[in-house]
Amino acid sequence: EDQVTQSPEALRLQEGESSSLNCSYTVSGLRGLFWYRQDPGKGPEFLFTLYSAGEEKEKERLKATLTKKESFLHITAPKPEDSATYLCAVQSSSNTGKLIFGQGTTLQVKP
Amino acid sequence: DSGVTQTPKHLITATGQRVTLRCSPRSGDLSVYWYQQSLDQGLQFLIQYYNGEERAKGNILERFSAQQFPDLHSELNLSSLELGDSALYFCASSESDRRTDTQYFGPGTRLTVL
Repeated sequence: EDQVTQSPEALRLQEGESSSLNCSYTVSGLRGLFWYRQDPGKGPEFLFTLYSAGEEKEKERLKATLTKKESFLHITAPKPEDSATYLCAVQSSSNTGKLIFGQGTTLQVKP
Repeated sequence: DSGVTQTPKHLITATGQRVTLRCSPRSGDLSVYWYQQSLDQGLQFLIQYYNGEERAKGNILERFSAQQFPDLHSELNLSSLELGDSALYFCASSESDRRTDTQYFGPGTRLTVL
């Protein structure tokens, strides 16, 4: 069964303190791995798509990487406005367009 | 702003009632997806439509149904509501039905069943 596990569940950082969020996945043929950001009570906001192991993508203070078993979202010198829940999702070759989401990592960045 | 719109933003109703949630996809997108987000289950896929036809079903209850209209907007109908149906309901859209298309999410409808 396709599955996505994110860790840690919650992360508290000081402003400027870099860290990484983990997304481990088990899928029958990865079609794509997606990262979203979600603010409380809002819809998920698309960040990145990764398709194959070794791929990396960057956007401002965020960098996403992908291996055959997991993905990391690296946050460099975070600011308070980076506080949000970060969701990882996968699409597998055994399913249609549905996204299978992890439970998310809630990040709090203190000034 | 993703370009996906959902109405209403909030809905409060009683058990046993029926409600309809509405979604308009981004301009040009042909696929619409519905997801349910509850505190204990996270984001769960319900159903996908592509250009008016049902493409995929997740763990959608028989009390729930959806459709996509010729103008591509979609409606999710929830009937015989139970307390456990209280959740955030999100609509997402993508350009086509290719599996690797990025899905863009709307702001959601918060359903409260009393």
